[in-house]
Amino acid sequence: QKEVEQDPGPLSVPEGAIVSLNCTYSNSAFQYFMWYRQYSRKGPELLMYTYSSGNKEDGRFTAQVDKSSKYISLFIRDSQPSDSATYLCAPRRSGGGADGLTFGKGTHLIIQP
Amino acid sequence: DADVTQTPRNRITKTGKRIMLECSQTKGHDRMYWYRQDPGLGLRLIYYSFDVKDINKGEISDGYSVSRQAQAKFSLSLESAIPNQTALYFCATSAAGVREQFFGPGTRLTVL
Repeated sequence: QKEVEQDPGPLSVPEGAIVSLNCTYSNSAFQYFMWYRQYSRKGPELLMYTYSSGNKEDGRFTAQVDKSSKYISLFIRDSQPSDSATYLCAPRRSGGGADGLTFGKGTHLIIQP
Repeated sequence: DADVTQTPRNRITKTGKRIMLECSQTKGHDRMYWYRQDPGLGLRLIYYSFDVKDINKGEISDGYSVSRQAQAKFSLSLESAIPNQTALYFCATSAAGVREQFFGPGTRLTVL
């Protein structure tokens, strides 16, 4: 089993819809759960992250972690065409050293105007 | 503006050629990374360096080598390029103790 599993999509939804993007992971040592957004022909950029379980909200974006089921979610409310991008989940261990630098494969999201 | 730059941005080469991809950063970060991105496979770590004297293999280091010439420079070499090394290559940096990574714009490499 890979450390991080993410459906690559593509996921196509109409503008204004609520989007749910998800990852599962296998390593219980992960404590930080990061989401990167990658526009076409660009490098990934950090969108938001959470520490341990729970929710974190930032504008239209909500990151959610359920450590008991090893399930990570990113919700986008009132989706916009500018949200069209690839979203990569990236769980990380706490502490220093080799940071378990694993990314999910990324989900390609398309918001239709 | 503080930035991560990669050169070249695009490169087409032939099987067996030696290729070097270069990364420079002005963020003052100690940690630098090389990834490759392939459709359906996502981002995979090739090598990483936590400071100038520290080099570590990542998930897919075979066929690649790196050089950390200075804190700000980290180069990736393909000694003898092969077609399955055709991919998008990203350099990234991070500060010690900070988990956010900052990515360069990528180098699209095609090996014929």
